[in-house]
This record gives sequence, C-alpha cells and structure tokens, in this order.
Amino acid sequence: EAGVAQSPRYKIIEKRQSVAFWCNPISGHATLYWYQQILGQGPKLLIQFQNNGVVDDSQLPKDRFSAERLKGVDSTLKIQPAKLEDSAVYLCASSPGSLFEQYFGPGTRLTVT
Amino acid sequence: SQQGEEDPQALSIQEGENATMNCSYKTSINNLQWYRQNSGRGLVHLILIRSNEREKHSGRLRVTLDTSKKSSSLLITASRAADTASYFCATAQNSGNTPLVFGKGTRLSVIA
Repeated sequence: EAGVAQSPRYKIIEKRQSVAFWCNPISGHATLYWYQQILGQGPKLLIQFQNNGVVDDSQLPKDRFSAERLKGVDSTLKIQPAKLEDSAVYLCASSPGSLFEQYFGPGTRLTVT
Repeated sequence: SQQGEEDPQALSIQEGENATMNCSYKTSINNLQWYRQNSGRGLVHLILIRSNEREKHSGRLRVTLDTSKKSSSLLITASRAADTASYFCATAQNSGNTPLVFGKGTRLSVIA
C-alpha cells in the first residue's frame, strides 16, 4: 500500500513570495490533515478535511494561508505572502477517520529567507 | 494550545536499557496515540490505546493509560540505537472530528 506522498521535499523562498505544497493521501482515507512543525516542537494542526469539506481550520492563519482538497482526494496548501516565521516542516497526514491513527507523509521543509 | 505534555523533554540511555516516557493531558479523551519521529523523517504511528483500555503491548513497546490521572506512559524495553528519535503523544477527544493534539515530545538518545 502506497503511503502519503508530498512534494516538494524542500523549498527555499524569500519573504513575501508565495509557495504551494501538494499532498496525495492514502487511497480511501476520508480525513486529511495539514500540520506545521517548527523545530523542537510537536506538530500543530493547520487544517483538517473530511472528504472535501473543512472540519477544523481554527489555527490556520487565513490572511496568508489557504488550503483546498479537490474531489476529496489530493490537497494543496498555499502560503501567500510568506513570512520568516513560516519556516518549518509542513506535514500532511491522512486517516480513515478522525479517531483513527494517522499516516504521515515525509513533509516539506520550508525555509523563508 | 497543546493538550499532551511529555516528560522528560530529553532522555539519554545505554543500549539494552529500558526507556520510559510519560504523557499528561488535560481533558477527557477517546484515545491516546504515541508517534515516533526520526531525524529528518516523518512521524510514524506506534500504538493507539483507547480510553477503556489500561495497557497495550506491541513488540518491545508497552503503553499504559490511567484516565483517572490523565496520564500515559510509553516503555521501550531493551532499547537499540535505532530507537533514537523523538516520541510524541497525541490525544483524540470524544467529540467527533476534533483534531489530534500533539505534545512537544521526548527526545530519546540511545547510546551504543
């Protein structure tokens, strides 16, 4: 069974530029999550999708971050414009449902200079 | 805010020794999960224990849950250098579709 795929793996941009991350979850998983993990901390949920609907985006900085999950499968997370404090690893995860274990992708390491 | 708090923040042991990490949380839960993160790699699910369970085993891992104390422990027996990683606990609350909340993790170093 293929795992959660993410791209790119690494991205370096200058502040005020925009960036987009892509995630392909495990086939059949209804729930998809985007997390931000700053060095030395645990992952912080940015947004949770159930199929193609948003379940929780309370910690998503909506003035600069946006996410969508087209047709309830793949998802993209966008940052526009980026700030220095957005430097982090962005993790995508999927699960069969919200009370199950989550399967994580390898993450995208973003550096904003 | 983070629900789970792991203790200790860092732990260094010799290969072959046992490692114990603790997690405390604040609100009632449906289940508690432990994850491992190796340097440069994504998070890997280790074990899930439900609120009506008290102990669970998986290979060299043993997890206990005390809902009266709102705490859990992860025991890794006969540790190996490959166990060197950060370990996170995450709690899932009872309300449907509530997010999994991660702690800050315990950094385990196993010295060969």
